[in-house]
Amino acid sequence: GAVVSQHPSWVICKSGTSVKIECRSLDFQATTMFWYRQFPKQSLMLMATSNEGSKATYEQGVEKDKFLINHASLTLSTLTVTSAHPEDSSFYICSARSGVGYNEQFFGPGTRLTVL
Amino acid sequence: QKEVEQDPGPLSVPEGAIVSLNCTYSNSAFQYFMWYRQYSRKGPELLMYTYSSGNKEDGRFTAQVDKSSKYISLFIRDSQPSDSATYLCACRGTSYGKLTFGQGTILTVHP
Repeated sequence: GAVVSQHPSWVICKSGTSVKIECRSLDFQATTMFWYRQFPKQSLMLMATSNEGSKATYEQGVEKDKFLINHASLTLSTLTVTSAHPEDSSFYICSARSGVGYNEQFFGPGTRLTVL
Repeated sequence: QKEVEQDPGPLSVPEGAIVSLNCTYSNSAFQYFMWYRQYSRKGPELLMYTYSSGNKEDGRFTAQVDKSSKYISLFIRDSQPSDSATYLCACRGTSYGKLTFGQGTILTVHP
């Protein structure tokens, strides 16, 4: 149990375009989802926390107008990187937490974004 | 100073060795301590979860937390090539708090 999926697993786009990444909890309802960014050989940096039906809470230094997060249902959250630039190239990972009982975060497999 | 410090390695050991991975943290409010394993180009998977100080064992893995010295460890016994991955420690203050990760240690177990 506790499977989190992400789609796509990798994406290449041109500078200036927008990219949407989906995060789904497959076998549990995720009241809270988290989005992380990870640069090569570096740790995970939390970008934002989203609760179903509420606006996301962004970490300091993360542009909320650039990284749009929607948590429309208990099993789906999306991250849209708007007007992507090469410096946005990174590994984006989501995690989900049910908030019931054992409330550990379960991580998705990540999405590799390359902006040309 | 980072809240969670972890030696990035890399660490290379022969198969069968005992591996010791360590982290230190500075935030006294941290009460929950986790170890994650991350294979290349994959998301982290939870290995060990510990609340407060003490030891926890699960198969070949043992996690230790010493809150007095703000030191957390993960021991891997009889290491296998399949253990080769990046190991991340993580801490949080409350059961619903956000995770703060260490940098991760790259481990290679060679046959």
